[in-house]
This record gives sequence, C-alpha cells and structure tokens, in this order.
Amino acid sequence: DTGVSQDPRHKITKRGQNVTFRCDPISEHNRLYWYRQTLGQGPEFLTYFQNEAQLEKSRLLSDRFSAERPKGSFSTLEIQRTEQGDSAMYLCASSLSFYGYTFGSGTRLTVV
Amino acid sequence: GQQLNQSPQSMFIQEGEDVSMNCTSSSIFNTWLWYKQDPGEGPVLLIALYKAGELTSNGRLTAQFGITRKDSFLNISASIPSDVGIYFCAGQPDNNDMRFGAGTRLTVKP
Repeated sequence: DTGVSQDPRHKITKRGQNVTFRCDPISEHNRLYWYRQTLGQGPEFLTYFQNEAQLEKSRLLSDRFSAERPKGSFSTLEIQRTEQGDSAMYLCASSLSFYGYTFGSGTRLTVV
Repeated sequence: GQQLNQSPQSMFIQEGEDVSMNCTSSSIFNTWLWYKQDPGEGPVLLIALYKAGELTSNGRLTAQFGITRKDSFLNISASIPSDVGIYFCAGQPDNNDMRFGAGTRLTVKP
C-alpha cells in the first residue's frame, strides 16, 4: 500500500477554466475527505465521503465545486470556472474510522 | 474559518533546545491531534489524543489533551534539524469534521 495518492501534484490553469483533481485513498479506507489549504493557514474542511455517499459539505464548497466518489473508491474534485481565489493546495485524506486521517501530498492549484 | 488558536506562530530555536507549542479553542473537542507538514507535502500525524487529561508520548514528542477539552499542547525535547517544519494542531468536535489551527513554523539552527 502506497498511501493516499493525489494527481496531479501541480496544476496551473487560466481563470475561467475547469479543473479536476483525483484522489486514490488507502484501499481499505471507507472514509475520504477533501481539504483546502492556503498559504500560511491550516487545512480547511471541504467535504467528506463514507463509501460512495457524500455525507457532509462545508460552506466553503461553493456551487462551482463538485466532488464525487463513484463506487466508493477513488474520488474526484472538480472546480468549474476557476477564480484566482481558488489558488490553494487541495488535500485529500482517508481513514478507516473517524480517527487518524492519512493525508496525500496534495494538488497545488495556481489560477492565473 | 479557523476555530483553533495556535501559538506561537513561529519559533527559532537552537538544536538541542526543547520546544513547546499549544492550541486553544472556544469549543469542546472530543479528539485532539498534532500533525507535522513539510514543504510541498501533506500533513503527517504525530500524536492523537482521545481522552481529557491524556498525556501521550511518541519518541521525543509529548502531547496532552487539556482537562477542559478546549486545549492541547505539544512538547518536543532535544530538538534536531529534521524537526524543522510546520506543526498543526487539529481538533474533532464530532465524528466527521476535523479543524486545524494555523500552524507553528519551527526553525532549528544547528
């Protein structure tokens, strides 16, 4: 098991474009989380899946953001019509219970 | 936004010195966790605390879950250069949502 994988590691996009990130959790973990981290801040919760069900969404997750976890395995986070304020590190984490998340290395998004 | 107050914001210490950082909240948490993040990487779990008053060690690291359930501290003894990084506290008020402090940036001078 190689841990939580995120792809791509870096993404530069023009304002207004759509972007999609992928997260592959640890295989036996049924819980998957997305967080966003801006420079100088701690990660902020975006959304949470248990298996394929999206159980919780933060107010930070505007209608331009959508996350899916088909079949309860990998997850995707899509941002439509990107804005400069979307520039951040997007972190995925997984866990078997509600303790002790394992984070991936993140996808750094830069919107120019 | 952030609901945890983490201090200090940054620390510059000499190798071999001990370090202490803490986190406070206006809300009660059921779990406190401490993570370390290196540049360009995700946070890595250092210590998890599940019970008020609990004191837990992991090598040179020691953390405590405050008795009021609104605070926690992390101590690092005999710091070494590889301790450099950003340390985050995180609290879980319930089963699903983990909230992070803004981090303590630690610099260790050889």
